[in-house]
Amino acid sequence: GQNIDQPTEMTATEGAIVQINCTYQTSGFNGLFWYQQHAGEAPTFLSYNVLDGLEEKGRFSSFLSRSKGYSYLLLKELQMKDSASYLCAVGSGYALNFGKGTSLLVTP
Amino acid sequence: DAGVTQSPTHLIKTRGQHVTLRCSPISGHKSVSWYQQVLGQGPQFIFQYYEKEERGRGNFPDRFSARQFPNYSSELNVNALLLGDSALYLCASSTQLTQGPDQPQHFGDGTRLSIL
Repeated sequence: GQNIDQPTEMTATEGAIVQINCTYQTSGFNGLFWYQQHAGEAPTFLSYNVLDGLEEKGRFSSFLSRSKGYSYLLLKELQMKDSASYLCAVGSGYALNFGKGTSLLVTP
Repeated sequence: DAGVTQSPTHLIKTRGQHVTLRCSPISGHKSVSWYQQVLGQGPQFIFQYYEKEERGRGNFPDRFSARQFPNYSSELNVNALLLGDSALYLCASSTQLTQGPDQPQHFGDGTRLSIL
């Protein structure tokens, strides 16, 4: 089975840094994905980790520890447009198994 | 290039009816996956099709079925609709059978299905 946990809600201030954690227990693993989803829109791909360590892509970074079943998404220099739901997903076989998502609110 | 397109965008049905949702993948993408997203939850995997064959199925009842056509577009069919089937149905396409950094799944905007 699959068990993917992430916080339900987070609030951060414009210009700040926020870290969204994700823990997982899965029966298969071929990568850890982060997606961003604005209300009423499609999820959009942000990052992918398959090996341990940090992947940096502009203002977004993602970290993976396979032995701990742990990942985080780091968002720097927060902007108002970063207010969205952030979905942690584990690739397992042919499917993406998603957590429930973390709703991030960026305040002025 | 056009992204993943889904139709219709919204649909209202009553219990017991059936529904067909349609998806056109990004040009060149041979893999299509379907997900159900209930309000406040993450997407839940229903099916994956690759090269017109079912390659994976999630934990959904037999009322859910799908198929992929020679042009790689896909249909999701749901029979005997229940109130609990109300959700956003997302279609995602990718170039390969499994996901990776160069072949992530790209999602359409979804079909919002409401069951009365």
